[in-house]
Amino acid sequence: EPEVTQTPSHQVTQMGQEVILRCVPISNHLYFYWYRQILGQKVEFLVSFYNNEISEKSEIFDDQFSVERPDGSNFTLKIRSTKLEDSAMYFCASSEGRQGTQPQHFGDGTRLSIL
Amino acid sequence: TQLLEQSPQFLSIQEGENLTVYCNSSSVFSSLQWYRQEPGEGPVLLVTVVTGGEVKKLKRLTFQFGDARKDSSLHITAAQPGDTGLYLCASTGTASKLTFGTGTRLQVTL
Repeated sequence: EPEVTQTPSHQVTQMGQEVILRCVPISNHLYFYWYRQILGQKVEFLVSFYNNEISEKSEIFDDQFSVERPDGSNFTLKIRSTKLEDSAMYFCASSEGRQGTQPQHFGDGTRLSIL
Repeated sequence: TQLLEQSPQFLSIQEGENLTVYCNSSSVFSSLQWYRQEPGEGPVLLVTVVTGGEVKKLKRLTFQFGDARKDSSLHITAAQPGDTGLYLCASTGTASKLTFGTGTRLQVTL
């Protein structure tokens, strides 16, 4: 069964450094998402992406964050200058369609640790 | 922003017992999804419910959507250790983003 893959599984970075988290969505999916989950807290929406542009973003997704689909397969999340509070699990998801009944398929996440 | 409250927060039961977990919101869901998340993995979709009063079954799991589409429940019959995990409800509202509930962490012991 096709799946969403994320790399790396664990990223350790010094505060202030830039990080890029990578995702390969399911190949025929058109909608892409990033979520994060701070340890012990609920999964939070960051951003959705369709047709090479951001569809919706949360208030968490400030100017430090950006997303890109650099080629036909990858979908990346960049954090420009990391802060301690950016430490979390970051999940990528993709779906075929946008309507609420279309299931979103999640990757296994990247654990980001900011030192 | 829609807030989803799940209860109980934690549940520890023995193999063979039945259990029910709940997901409640102050506003109407357009649709509701239930996910299970295991440590070190992403959420995995179990079911989507759309119609008020809808009941869906997935083996020993029964999902019910409230008539007013503001609440949902997940009932597990004869729980097994493999059912252990974090159960999350999520709503899409009118947009494509998922709003997740607070989660119920289930532990099933032998």
